[in-house]
Amino acid sequence: DAKTTQPPSMDCAEGRAANLPCNHSTISGNEYVYWYRQIHSQGPQYIIHGLKNNETNEMASLIITEDRKSSTLILPHATLRDTAVYYCIVRETDSWGKLQFGAGTQVVVTP
Amino acid sequence: SAVISQKPSRDICQRGTSLTIQCQVDSQVTMMFWYRQQPGQSLTLIATANQGSEATYESGFVIDKFPISRPNLTFSTLTVSNMSPEDSSIYLCSALRQDRGSGEQFFGPGTRLTVL
Repeated sequence: DAKTTQPPSMDCAEGRAANLPCNHSTISGNEYVYWYRQIHSQGPQYIIHGLKNNETNEMASLIITEDRKSSTLILPHATLRDTAVYYCIVRETDSWGKLQFGAGTQVVVTP
Repeated sequence: SAVISQKPSRDICQRGTSLTIQCQVDSQVTMMFWYRQQPGQSLTLIATANQGSEATYESGFVIDKFPISRPNLTFSTLTVSNMSPEDSSIYLCSALRQDRGSGEQFFGPGTRLTVL
């Protein structure tokens, strides 16, 4: 069973920041938070991951609360190409890479 | 990053037949996985493809239905056996390079299977 809860859908205006929430209240100390996205008719794409510190890369920023029970993925300047299903996944460091996908959030970026 | 290709990209098959899907990675990887994505649904892990040994299946998936091979570090196959319309799904291969530290997983484009 997925260990995360995400809103089923979100709309975002092109050029604005998109803030995608994720609850993972049962996360344990050795579990990372991963974000992937799946653009229509493509395989999922890795975005970012973190353990407890905030992380930033060329695609997005990940903000993890101090108690680690929730996180937010930030797309700083959403474009139409960011329209996708976004998956928040928690994964143990020693789980040999297995990803358990939940339902995700369908993000639609509008002009 | 790793580039993953799958063959075929799509197929339409008759009930009772079998289809073998190939997954090729452009570099050596530590782990390979097979997922299923039923229409309108999220991804479900079928199994971990182990190099040189039997695959490790998730609950609800069995070797007789989904035999998997991984003869080397860059190639794996998934066979969907004795197909029924309920097997109509997208089947995705993924790979993990543990030496990259983050263990980010790369996915193939998927094989869209329709069973009539």
